[in-house]
Amino acid sequence: QVQLQESGPGLVKPSETLSLTCTVSGDSISNYYWSWIRQPPGKGLEWMGYIYSSGSTNYNPSLKSRVTISVDTSKNHFSLQLSSVTAADTAVYYCARERRAGGYVVFDYWGQGTLVTVSS
Amino acid sequence: DIVMTQSPDSLAVSLGERATINCKSSQSVLYSSNNKNYLAWYQQKPGQPPNLLIYWASTRESGVPDRFSGSGSGTDFTLTISSLQAEDAAVYYCQQYYSTPYTFGQGTKLEIK
Repeated sequence: QVQLQESGPGLVKPSETLSLTCTVSGDSISNYYWSWIRQPPGKGLEWMGYIYSSGSTNYNPSLKSRVTISVDTSKNHFSLQLSSVTAADTAVYYCARERRAGGYVVFDYWGQGTLVTVSS
Repeated sequence: DIVMTQSPDSLAVSLGERATINCKSSQSVLYSSNNKNYLAWYQQKPGQPPNLLIYWASTRESGVPDRFSGSGSGTDFTLTISSLQAEDAAVYYCQQYYSTPYTFGQGTKLEIK
């Protein structure tokens, strides 16, 4: 059974960089696409970007200048960095695996999510 | 970006009754080369991540009860729960994967009346 677990600080100061890691267990991180998705409290879902195990990335243009996703296949984890954060970046951050087959792209495994609050 | 708009924002349905949630995309998510709609539905319960229900607009994910069904094409889609069970109380999201950035609807909160 594939499991994903987010880790990182739950509180980040405004203008600083948010850093989270998603550790994958139960399967290799290789040959899959991995995404970060966030959800502000009481609101909807926003896809932030994905990384393939080779390191290629695709970011949401709304965040493109601030977001970086990286992968470490030796540790079977991938990471998110979001710079210059503001209160608007307060959200539950989820990592998720993309399943791609025959052209569809769905998120079939998710972490439990981690709440990151931006506050001084 | 493709904007996904769901309706209603919330609804209350009695146990055993039918629930219908609509999703409209700002442009077609039907890919002409394979005649497939690039749309998925997710269910999210409080304190949990979303759970995949349907992809290709109408294909149920393995393990999803057959009371859940999806329909529609192009820009207009529907998620139907044929006979509502207590465990179906949740927020439902549609999501397009026709193009990046992948986008979700704002969610529809389904409550038991």
